[in-house]
Amino acid sequence: AQTVTQSQPEMSVQEAETVTLSCTYDTSESNYYLFWYKQPPSRQMILVIRQEAYKQQNATENRFSVNFQKAAKSFSLKISDSQLGDTAMYFCAFMKHAGGGADGLTFGKGTHLIIQP
Amino acid sequence: DVKVTQSSRYLVKRTGEKVFLECVQDMDHENMFWYRQDPGLGLRLIYFSYDVKMKEKGDIPEGYSVSREKKERFSLILESASTNQTSMYLCASSTGTSGRTYEQYFGPGTRLTVT
Repeated sequence: AQTVTQSQPEMSVQEAETVTLSCTYDTSESNYYLFWYKQPPSRQMILVIRQEAYKQQNATENRFSVNFQKAAKSFSLKISDSQLGDTAMYFCAFMKHAGGGADGLTFGKGTHLIIQP
Repeated sequence: DVKVTQSSRYLVKRTGEKVFLECVQDMDHENMFWYRQDPGLGLRLIYFSYDVKMKEKGDIPEGYSVSREKKERFSLILESASTNQTSMYLCASSTGTSGRTYEQYFGPGTRLTVT
């Protein structure tokens, strides 16, 4: 079984600052995917960024980037130039590779990120 | 854009009632999932389905069942609702196409209260 740990229940930063959310995971799988999801106060869960474990290059999506350290089983999310709209719950999630992607996500407990004006 | 819809945003039921939560996706996705979300616990997988009439138990299937008669629709059933099933329920879907990263698309959630 996999576990995902997010050690920061809540974080607060000023607008335009850079913030890093931490995530560690434990697995015996060698082929898997990692995701960061965002859940704004309206509750719709949105994918922020994804990383395939076999790729060494860290994924980036505009202001969002990850630091994927496979050996350390670490997958942190960096948000640059933070904006008020980034205020949300952020969940780190793990999925082992399965045929046809047919496997559920294992989530961390989430980090509540608050961007202060 | 992928759209995943859930039949109700809010639902109030009484203990012992049979409850149906419906989920529909419009992207011809093979895989569909049900999670429950509780404060401080994150999201936990209840059941998933990789094809019509196929289902697999997730991490917390006790007290729940599912039905998938059509590809686009996945139902979560609480046979006899109990107060400890008060929660937010999220449905998700993903493609089964080989070579994709299988990201899951989520519905808006159903806040179920059992009294």
